[in-house]
Amino acid sequence: SQKIEQNSEALNIQEGKTATLTCNYTNYSPAYLQWYRQDPGRGPVFLLLIRENEKEKRKERLKVTFDTTLKQSLFHITASQPADSATYLCALPNTGGFKTIFGAGTRLFVKA
Amino acid sequence: DADVTQTPRNRITKTGKRIMLECSQTKGHDRMYWYRQDPGLGLRLIYYSFDVKDINKGEISDGYSVSRQAQAKFSLSLESAIPNQTALYFCATSPSILTGRTDTQYFGPGTRLTVL
Repeated sequence: SQKIEQNSEALNIQEGKTATLTCNYTNYSPAYLQWYRQDPGRGPVFLLLIRENEKEKRKERLKVTFDTTLKQSLFHITASQPADSATYLCALPNTGGFKTIFGAGTRLFVKA
Repeated sequence: DADVTQTPRNRITKTGKRIMLECSQTKGHDRMYWYRQDPGLGLRLIYYSFDVKDINKGEISDGYSVSRQAQAKFSLSLESAIPNQTALYFCATSPSILTGRTDTQYFGPGTRLTVL
């Protein structure tokens, strides 16, 4: 069955550094991949979508890569700020493409 | 105004009680979803609806039921609440897959449910 793996351990970094989060998936080849941000007690918010034919996507300080050979996506936040502290979820369409499966997320803490 | 709203935002109830969580959206999306989130387990799909006449079970539908009253409204019911249904519940919407061929979802603020 399809599986999404995100690092369950929290990532702690210093303000100004680049945060890199990893999403690995197994057992299928999705047409696209999404990243969401979730603040404590609030609903996830869509950030970026990258398609299988795109190697990299950028939005302001965010950058996402998608390696379909490694079955991995990397999510980068450059010049990180304390306000970037949140949980980041990776999401993929299921095999039929009609539902979305979410990873458990990685918690990011950015220290001032 | 929020595009996806959920009521109530917090609810404490007792075992055996019937509970209804409501979701409304102004995004004009056809698809609506109910998820629950537990610490360390991520989002798990309870039910989803692709239009008013279409209701589908998700991965953890036992103990839950839903009603799609209109395109904009999707309710989740717990017929007889039990303590292990204590969780954070989210409603989400997405446009028809035919529109953008991707399933970007827009979430409500969540309902924190505690079953004693």
